Amino acid sequence: DTAVSQTPKYLVTQMGNDKSIKCEQNLGHDTMYWYKQDSKKFLKIMFSYNNKELIINETVPNRFSPKSPDKAHLNLHINSLELGDSAVYFCASSQNGGRETQYFGPGTRLLVL
Amino acid sequence: GQNIDQPTEMTATEGAIVQINCTYQTSGFNGLFWYQQHAGEAPTFLSYNVLDGLEEKGRFSSFLSRSKGYSYLLLKELQMKDSASYLCAVRCMTTDSWGKLQFGAGTQVVVTP
Repeated sequence: DTAVSQTPKYLVTQMGNDKSIKCEQNLGHDTMYWYKQDSKKFLKIMFSYNNKELIINETVPNRFSPKSPDKAHLNLHINSLELGDSAVYFCASSQNGGRETQYFGPGTRLLVL
Repeated sequence: GQNIDQPTEMTATEGAIVQINCTYQTSGFNGLFWYQQHAGEAPTFLSYNVLDGLEEKGRFSSFLSRSKGYSYLLLKELQMKDSASYLCAVRCMTTDSWGKLQFGAGTQVVVTP
């Protein structure tokens, strides 16, 4: 009965590889987000989708490409991984176009070697 | 741009009270959230203020003054399990951001026996 789930929980990979992280929510929310939390624990928004449409796109390298196949899923694909991409990536969801509280998934810990 | 400031760390004894301050400068303010984040876990929602005043929820209370750009989170009867990072987040509603949350760097609260 997990509300917001992410896979994988841990991801260790080499520089230059391409990887994907998946997120699913069963809360019936219409808005989903990707955040990056760096080593200094600063949590920063990357993208947001409302009903499968991109509504927030922060200054993120275009190696990062989100995809929302339906409003319950938001995936993040990262091309040509770099050392600086190492961080924890959190998915979140909320209702009513982002006007309600955001609920976070457990995070994906990405380590690029 | 947005600017959110909160102390880096606070230490208090079990059973005591701790007040975590958050000041912000933002445009399109539409609410302030407090989240708790234990090490290695996801942020979890604690409280929300959009109007001036105090919101009380059990041992936790949150206060907002919009004119001063100021909020605090009050933790009473501290327990060891309250040791965590507390994140202040401001929601901004503008023409190009739908409920975008901007997070402060977090305040690490250490509860000692």
